[in-house]
Amino acid sequence: KQEVTQIPAALSVPEGENLVLNCSFTDSAIYNLQWFRQDPGKGLTSLLLIQSSQREQTSGRLNASLDKSSGRSTLYIAASQPGDSATYLCAVKEYGNKLVFGAGTILRVKS
Amino acid sequence: DADVTQTPRNRITKTGKRIMLECSQTKGHDRMYWYRQDPGLGLRLIYYSFDVKDINKGEISDGYSVSRQAQAKFSLSLESAIPNQTALYFCATSRSRGQPQHFGDGTRLSIL
Repeated sequence: KQEVTQIPAALSVPEGENLVLNCSFTDSAIYNLQWFRQDPGKGLTSLLLIQSSQREQTSGRLNASLDKSSGRSTLYIAASQPGDSATYLCAVKEYGNKLVFGAGTILRVKS
Repeated sequence: DADVTQTPRNRITKTGKRIMLECSQTKGHDRMYWYRQDPGLGLRLIYYSFDVKDINKGEISDGYSVSRQAQAKFSLSLESAIPNQTALYFCATSRSRGQPQHFGDGTRLSIL
């Protein structure tokens, strides 16, 4: 059974810092991996999707990497801002169409 | 207007009641999903549908049923609600397997 773990569970950093969120998964037979952002009272917003054949994806200040063989992904946020404060969720798409989520990392960026 | 709309946004009800949560989308996607989110557990898949005639059970379907009334509408029902079904429920859509899923804003359901 696929299990997705996100470390740390919570993170507090001063504005301007670069930071890394970690995601690990137990079964490397994945179709793709997706990073989401969740704001309080809101749904999930897709940030980046990495296909299983890709190593990384970039969008603005965000960069996500994927190492399928070791079962790891990282989300790098450059020059963090208070507006980046949210919960970040990692999810892997299995070949059976199921999306398996981690429990998330709660990020707080202090001004 | 939101692309994926869930109603109601909040609901408080009593044990044993029948409840329906509704989801509609304007994205034109064939695939629709229902998830629940519990603190510390992430999101778990309840049911999913790839078209009007295709309904599939997810990881935690017991106690739930769904109806795909049209391409744009996917409803989740709790036939006889129990307190451990208190959670945040999300509907999502996607165009295909390789494309991102798009989520509604969620329904916060409390069962007393």
